[in-house]
Amino acid sequence: DAKTTQPNSMESNEEEPVHLPCNHSTISGTDYIHWYRQLPSQGPEYVIHGLTSNVNNRMASLAIAEDRKSSTLILHRATLRDAAVYYCILIKYYNQGGKLIFGQGTELSVKP
Amino acid sequence: NAGVTQTPKFQVLKTGQSMTLQCAQDMNHNSMYWYRQDPGMGLRLIYYSASEGTTDKGEVPNGYNVSRLNKREFSLRLESAAPSQTSVYFCASRHRNGTRTYEQYFGPGTRLTVT
Repeated sequence: DAKTTQPNSMESNEEEPVHLPCNHSTISGTDYIHWYRQLPSQGPEYVIHGLTSNVNNRMASLAIAEDRKSSTLILHRATLRDAAVYYCILIKYYNQGGKLIFGQGTELSVKP
Repeated sequence: NAGVTQTPKFQVLKTGQSMTLQCAQDMNHNSMYWYRQDPGMGLRLIYYSASEGTTDKGEVPNGYNVSRLNKREFSLRLESAAPSQTSVYFCASRHRNGTRTYEQYFGPGTRLTVT
C-alpha cells in the first residue's frame, strides 16, 4: 500500500486559511486521496476525497498536484472547532473491504 | 438517525476477564469495522465485516473475536483481557455499492482500561 507523509503539527490563527500538506509519492493510478479528521475525544469524521481534480465541499477544499504525488487540504477560515488531528489516507478505488490505514496525521491547533 | 452507537462508553477490566463491546448502526450500511487507538497513535484496524455474514482480520486481530450479528450489529469480544489491550476502541460503518469506495462513519468510542 502506498504511504503518506504529513507534518506532525501545524498552527493557525482563527479565521485565517489553513493549508495542510500531504505527500504520497508512491501513489498509484487507482488510489483515491481521502481526508479524515479527529476532534479531541471523538471518533474520526470524513472530510473530503478526490482522485485527480480539485474538490470542494462544505467543510474544505482538496487541491491535488498534477502528478498526484502530493495534495493539500484547505480550510478556508479556521475556527476553534477545527482544532483536530487530520489524516491523509490513500484508498484503492476497487477496495472492496474499504479498510482505512491511518498514519500519525497532522495535529492542527487554532489560536484565537 | 443515531448513526453509529457503541456501548459501553467506558470500561475497566482486570487481567484475564472477558467482555464484549457492542456496536450498532442505523444507516443500513453493508460494511462495519473495529479499530483501536493507543495514546498518541493513529487508528489500527482489528477486524472488519465487508458484508453481513463475512468477517476478516485487520492489522491487529490477536486477542480479539468478532461477530456480525445482523446487518446492524457488529460486536468485538476480548476473551482474556491483557493490559496491552488498554486502548480506545472505535466502531465504524460504510455503505458499499459495487466497486465504489464510500466514506466511513465512526462511533464515539469505548475507552477500555485493563489493570
